[in-house]
Amino acid sequence: AQSVTQLGSHVSVSEGALVLLRCNYSSSVPPYLFWYVQYPNQGLQLLLKYTSAATLVKGINGFEAEFKKSETSFHLTKPSAHMSDAAEYFCAVSLNSGGYQKVTFGTGTKLQVIP
Amino acid sequence: DAGVTQSPTHLIKTRGQHVTLRCSPISGHKSVSWYQQVLGQGPQFIFQYYEKEERGRGNFPDRFSARQFPNYSSELNVNALLLGDSALYLCASSLRTDSTDTQYFGPGTRLTVL
Repeated sequence: AQSVTQLGSHVSVSEGALVLLRCNYSSSVPPYLFWYVQYPNQGLQLLLKYTSAATLVKGINGFEAEFKKSETSFHLTKPSAHMSDAAEYFCAVSLNSGGYQKVTFGTGTKLQVIP
Repeated sequence: DAGVTQSPTHLIKTRGQHVTLRCSPISGHKSVSWYQQVLGQGPQFIFQYYEKEERGRGNFPDRFSARQFPNYSSELNVNALLLGDSALYLCASSLRTDSTDTQYFGPGTRLTVL
């Protein structure tokens, strides 16, 4: 079984401050992990993904995430928040389950950026 | 290049009715997945199709069905609609069904059941 836990359904940061969105996973096999962003009334856009090539993964818009097996975590960070980063962020774990790609999403974290 | 497209954008139905949602994948992608996203929650997996065959199904009742056509587009059908079916329905396409594949999402169809 696989699952994802995102700590904090809402996170507020000041513009220019560090963004840290937390994600912990549970997986019976080595996981592949994704971060997606969703703007209001839109679909999901891929920010970055971990597929075991490197533990520190860089994504779009200045975001990055570090895979820590010992902590079963894949937290998303950005050094300096921008107003345009206000959105909802989803962490997801993917595995191949009997011939198909089973992707399990967390419940999401809404990021508010305060001017 | 065109991304994943979905139609219609919005839909209002009443309880007991039937609905069909449509999805066109990115050119070259052979896999289509469907997700239900209820307000305030993450997407929940409904189906994955690959090469016109159902490869996986999530924990949804038999009222939900889907199919994939030779051009890899897909339809999601929901019968006997319930109020709880109100949600954003997302379609995602990918090259294959590997666990490392990136799924590219469409803008979704917002279904409201009255």
